Amino acid sequence: DVKVTQSSRYLVKRTGEKVFLECVQDMDHENMFWYRQDPGLGLRLIYFSYDVKMKEKGDIPEGYSVSREKKERFSLILESASTNQTSMYLCASSSGTENTGELFFGEGSRLTVL
Amino acid sequence: QKEVEQDPGPLSVPEGAIVSLNCTYSNSAFQYFMWYRQYSRKGPELLMYTYSSGNKEDGRFTAQVDKSSKYISLFIRDSQPSDSATYLCASYYGGSQGNLIFGKGTKLSVKP
Repeated sequence: DVKVTQSSRYLVKRTGEKVFLECVQDMDHENMFWYRQDPGLGLRLIYFSYDVKMKEKGDIPEGYSVSREKKERFSLILESASTNQTSMYLCASSSGTENTGELFFGEGSRLTVL
Repeated sequence: QKEVEQDPGPLSVPEGAIVSLNCTYSNSAFQYFMWYRQYSRKGPELLMYTYSSGNKEDGRFTAQVDKSSKYISLFIRDSQPSDSATYLCASYYGGSQGNLIFGKGTKLSVKP
């Protein structure tokens, strides 16, 4: 089974802190994604990546950056956390060779910024 | 326009009921249609995938796409308490999955 592992399920950070959210997938997928999920707003794409060291902005990239130094790992970085970044963050991966739209999601990282 | 519209519910039904979940979309170029299921405190997982118009059946689940009306449906027969989850529709026109557009999800509760 495909496994997408997010390193932290729950985090509490202070305003202004730098936050790293780590995601690792074990199926040699080319594509990796970071979403945030908020009540009433659904899933919104922050950044995605098709290859190592490559990134594309999604719908809401402001206040975030990403890093993909290895194929299996995709990190989301909040340079200076703010309270409006309190959310559930979901990492996903896909093979990139099919058009099924199948994304494999991790279990999420719930971030609270105080 | 990119939106996929979905009634957020919540929807509560008794065990054994037939459930109908629906979405509409605006982009006539969309060719791929998906339903994801998300249990509480878990990530979404793909439940059904359909290409273009038509029906697809998998056990108690039937996905239906009507491209003429831009309508996406998921039917659940003989609903079970284990079907209680949030259901998200999604669609896109293929190629980059960064173009995948999700509905906001409908929360379903099946009461024993």
